[in-house]
Amino acid sequence: QSVLTQPPSVSAAPGQKVTISCSGSSSNIGNNYVSWYQQLPGTAPKVLIYDNNKRPSGIPDRFSGSKSGTSATLGITGLQTGDEADYYCGTWDSSLSAGVFGGGTKLTVL
Amino acid sequence: QVQLVESGGGVVQPGRSLRLSCAASGFTFSSYSMHWVRQTPGKGLQWVAVITHDASYKNEADSVKGRFTISRDNSRNTLYLQMNSLRAEDTAVYFCAPHSGGRFEEFHLDYWGQGTLVTVSS
Repeated sequence: QSVLTQPPSVSAAPGQKVTISCSGSSSNIGNNYVSWYQQLPGTAPKVLIYDNNKRPSGIPDRFSGSKSGTSATLGITGLQTGDEADYYCGTWDSSLSAGVFGGGTKLTVL
Repeated sequence: QVQLVESGGGVVQPGRSLRLSCAASGFTFSSYSMHWVRQTPGKGLQWVAVITHDASYKNEADSVKGRFTISRDNSRNTLYLQMNSLRAEDTAVYFCAPHSGGRFEEFHLDYWGQGTLVTVSS
């Protein structure tokens, strides 16, 4: 059971928009920064968003992040078949003094 | 460029020990806190442990506390994970990653190794 809660799967058609939610508590998302990771099959995770809404260089602006209270959201617009992957949210939990991740969300681009 | 190469994985019987290594290059290893994160086959990511740049602070996840120990050798640019009393549920791919934020509260992992597979089975 993950500390952060994500939907197991989401789907949308090419060109459409999708959002992935990540729910936590005051000890993690509520008071710390959230990052988002994309994991393609057989590869290591890749950071898409850090500090709630910042994109590393090379990450297209189709990817966006936001945070409100104890929840965070990853948005992906202009969906492409190459976006099919698992997506994870992560943050620090101040009560546990530990990193925590969501259970992951599988994105299917229909 | 940043390179992280994990090694030391393999098949081990329950109750036995294994030491993982993570060789780092392309950045000033001695300036960064480092994390271990694992991923069970077909499952999600689980944070395992963290160590500060100078090893003055370490912490492990409750699920491995007392069995796993994180350490580092800055002279060798290498991170370690000593895993004792291994259990079947420790079977996973183990990744190392530098802490890319400032404080731990600014948690994000910008670089990951390719991982090393640990299989605990009799």
